[in-house]
Amino acid sequence: GENVEQHPSTLSVQEGDSAVIKCTYSDSASNYFPWYKQELGKRPQLIIDIRSNVGEKKDQRIAVTLNKTAKHFSLHITETQPEDSAVYFCAASSPGDKIIFGKGTRLHILP
Amino acid sequence: DGGITQSPKYLFRKEGQNVTLSCEQNLNHDAMYWYRQDPGQGLRLIYYSQIVNDFQKGDIAEGYSVSREKKESFPLTVTSAQKNPTAFYLCASSTIPGSEAFFGQGTRLTVV
Repeated sequence: GENVEQHPSTLSVQEGDSAVIKCTYSDSASNYFPWYKQELGKRPQLIIDIRSNVGEKKDQRIAVTLNKTAKHFSLHITETQPEDSAVYFCAASSPGDKIIFGKGTRLHILP
Repeated sequence: DGGITQSPKYLFRKEGQNVTLSCEQNLNHDAMYWYRQDPGQGLRLIYYSQIVNDFQKGDIAEGYSVSREKKESFPLTVTSAQKNPTAFYLCASSTIPGSEAFFGQGTRLTVV
């Protein structure tokens, strides 16, 4: 079955700097790769997703890149702000199948 | 107001007792999921259902059971066979399997 590895587990960056979180997946049939943000005490919410027919997707300060050959995808957050502090989860899913999540990255934005 | 609702938000049970967590959605989604969240462990899949009257085990199904008799409902029972049941449980649903998942607010279960 699918296995998703996520790194790092904790990341601290200065406000205004960029943050990068990386994930790898094992199932070559996976074609859907969402990223979720979970603020303290709240439910995870989708922030961006990408399908395997594209290599990059951007939405304001966040972007996701996908390398199908290497089976890895990354989340990039630019010009980080205090409200970006949260736990971020990557996930992978093959067509019509379950969604498997990574273990999460706790992002701290330092003043 | 559409969405996915879990109840209760907090639940306390004595060791050895079965307990059922509720999950209801009015989004007309076919797929529903149960995840368990522990510190440092991410979201681990317990069970998922792609359609009414059908469900499959996830990675950590032992000690849990589910039913999917209605499209809107996917209750999770934590049985006495689950060795470490204290955790935060999240229910989710998606239009079709393998698409954007929407999460409920979670149920924090404490077994004493």
